[in-house]
Amino acid sequence: QKEVEQNSGPLSVPEGAIASLNCTYSDRGSQSFFWYRQYSGKSPELIMSIYSNGDKEDGRFTAQLNKASQYVSLLIRDSQPSDSATYLCAVNGYAGKSTFGDGTTLTVKP
Amino acid sequence: KAGVTQTPRYLIKTRGQQVTLSCSPISGHRSVSWYQQTPGQGLQFLFEYFSETQRNKGNFPGRFSGRQFSNSRSEMNVSTLELGDSALYLCASSSDKSNTGELFFGEGSRLTVL
Repeated sequence: QKEVEQNSGPLSVPEGAIASLNCTYSDRGSQSFFWYRQYSGKSPELIMSIYSNGDKEDGRFTAQLNKASQYVSLLIRDSQPSDSATYLCAVNGYAGKSTFGDGTTLTVKP
Repeated sequence: KAGVTQTPRYLIKTRGQQVTLSCSPISGHRSVSWYQQTPGQGLQFLFEYFSETQRNKGNFPGRFSGRQFSNSRSEMNVSTLELGDSALYLCASSSDKSNTGELFFGEGSRLTVL
């Protein structure tokens, strides 16, 4: 079992729709959770951090964390073509070490 | 505020050679970590340095090494290159003041081993 698993994708949504990206993790002691966005040929960019159970909203992005279910999700509302990228879920981060999922590739079609 | 700077951006080496990659973190950030990204394995943690000390290390062979200087700049070295070392090598810096775990990545060094 992988430490961090994401929907394999690819995920395709029409412009203006809600994109839902999911991630599960195996280490029940994990405390820090992150979503990174990676455009093709570019490096990962941090877009959301979440540390407590519940929802955290930042603009069109909402991260949801459920530690009991070991589940993290990212919702993108009003999806735009510019949101087309690979989204990486990452867990923990002590001393620089984050464990990443394989990523979900999102395509937003105009 | 300048971001994380990695050099060189692209390089081509042959098997058996060695390579040194450089990373300058965001000003004020003392933690520098290195990751390898390949299509097959995804993002894999190599090691992390803080105040010139390696605090954490991933599951890579001893051919992969690194160091950090007093100005927080870091280098990683790969000796006796193998074809499988072809990858994007990413450096990430973190302020580590509150140990949030947030990583800020450089553009990466793309290594091709022939």
